[in-house]
Amino acid sequence: IAGITQAPTSQILAAGRRMTLRCTQDMRHNAMYWYRQDLGLGLRLIHYSNTAGTTGKGEVPDGYSVSRANTDDFPLTLASAVPSQTSVYFCASSAAPGRIYTFGSGTRLTVV
Amino acid sequence: KNEVEQSPQNLTAQEGEFITINCSYSVGISALHWLQQHPGGGIVSLFMLSSGKKKHGRLIATINIQEKHSSLHITASHPRDSAVYICAVRPEQGDDKIIFGKGTRLHILP
Repeated sequence: IAGITQAPTSQILAAGRRMTLRCTQDMRHNAMYWYRQDLGLGLRLIHYSNTAGTTGKGEVPDGYSVSRANTDDFPLTLASAVPSQTSVYFCASSAAPGRIYTFGSGTRLTVV
Repeated sequence: KNEVEQSPQNLTAQEGEFITINCSYSVGISALHWLQQHPGGGIVSLFMLSSGKKKHGRLIATINIQEKHSSLHITASHPRDSAVYICAVRPEQGDDKIIFGKGTRLHILP
């Protein structure tokens, strides 16, 4: 696949439901990130992982959780979706923290 | 105050014009990134630089560390250059997290 794969590409979700956004990379990058992109606010970091087995909170972590069981996968879970989580979600990776990013194609999530 | 400010927010130009997008930041940095996002599309890294100038095709990125300022130039602009251009910085201090600007929306008219 040579890059980052995000799934699903889009989703409409009822409020209160649980949802996991998937992110897989095949570049053996150490660092991975989840961002949300909202009109007028730009990209905001939700959670990150500098290496497999570690995670950290970003700027807007509330309502979201992540895990990094291995190098390739970095799923983002919304435990109980709310309408304010309607956004476009981007997963990204880099060989090391702060290095050039590779982005996934995004997941457009609508919570109704 | 945002730590990364871009100007202009929106820019419309005619095909062939020379384009400049500016990025100013308020923290000491170890690297600055320029990214491109096409409408409805993904995000692509264009440049990462920590000093001087880099060129790739019709795109040129410059940075002045002392003035905390970077510019992205596009020569002989083309409608396919229409996109959002995002500046991002890696602060010297802290936990390596990159800070993004809000982007400059560029529209090149044929």
